[in-house]
Amino acid sequence: AQRVTQPEKLLSVFKGAPVELKCNYSYSGSPELFWYVQYSRQRLQLLLRHISRESIKGFTADLNKGETSFHLKKPFAQEEDSAMYYCALGPPGAQKLVFGQGTRLTINP
Amino acid sequence: DSGVTQTPKHLITATGQRVTLRCSPRSGDLSVYWYQQSLDQGLQFLIHYYNGEERAKGNILERFSAQQFPDLHSELNLSSLELGDSALYFCASSVGPSGELFFGEGSRLTVL
Repeated sequence: AQRVTQPEKLLSVFKGAPVELKCNYSYSGSPELFWYVQYSRQRLQLLLRHISRESIKGFTADLNKGETSFHLKKPFAQEEDSAMYYCALGPPGAQKLVFGQGTRLTINP
Repeated sequence: DSGVTQTPKHLITATGQRVTLRCSPRSGDLSVYWYQQSLDQGLQFLIHYYNGEERAKGNILERFSAQQFPDLHSELNLSSLELGDSALYFCASSVGPSGELFFGEGSRLTVL
């Protein structure tokens, strides 16, 4: 069964500090993994996907198949990073994306 | 606005009633996805349509049904409503049968 676990509902860090949002998944096979973000008063939108291996807004995420994790990291948090972050998993082709429960990230000045 | 459009934005109804939520995908997108977000729950996948055909199904209740019309808009029908159906229902679209999802603002359903 597909499952995504984001162990932290809330995460608060200071501006300039490193941030890591955890995501663990359960899937038999090679999934596609994504991070979606919802800023205040905005729609849920794609932040990054593991197959593109790119950095968006300073965020990166590495797929660790051994630990079945896809943690989102940023070395220096900025206030505008405050948002709700969702990790999502889908089979190749990702026709059915399963989302985690989300982590609300707050960056304190 | 050529983004995903959902109507109504808010809906209050009583138990046992039936409602229809509507979604218009982005121009050119052929896929429509429906998700349910209840209190303290993440986004629960309900169903995915691609160019009018059902492509994937999640834990969608039998009381719920959906379809995608030839003009590609989609409707989610919820019947025999229960208190627990109160939730935010999101629609998302994508160009193809997979890929980046573009979300609507959601329809908030309250069942009293």
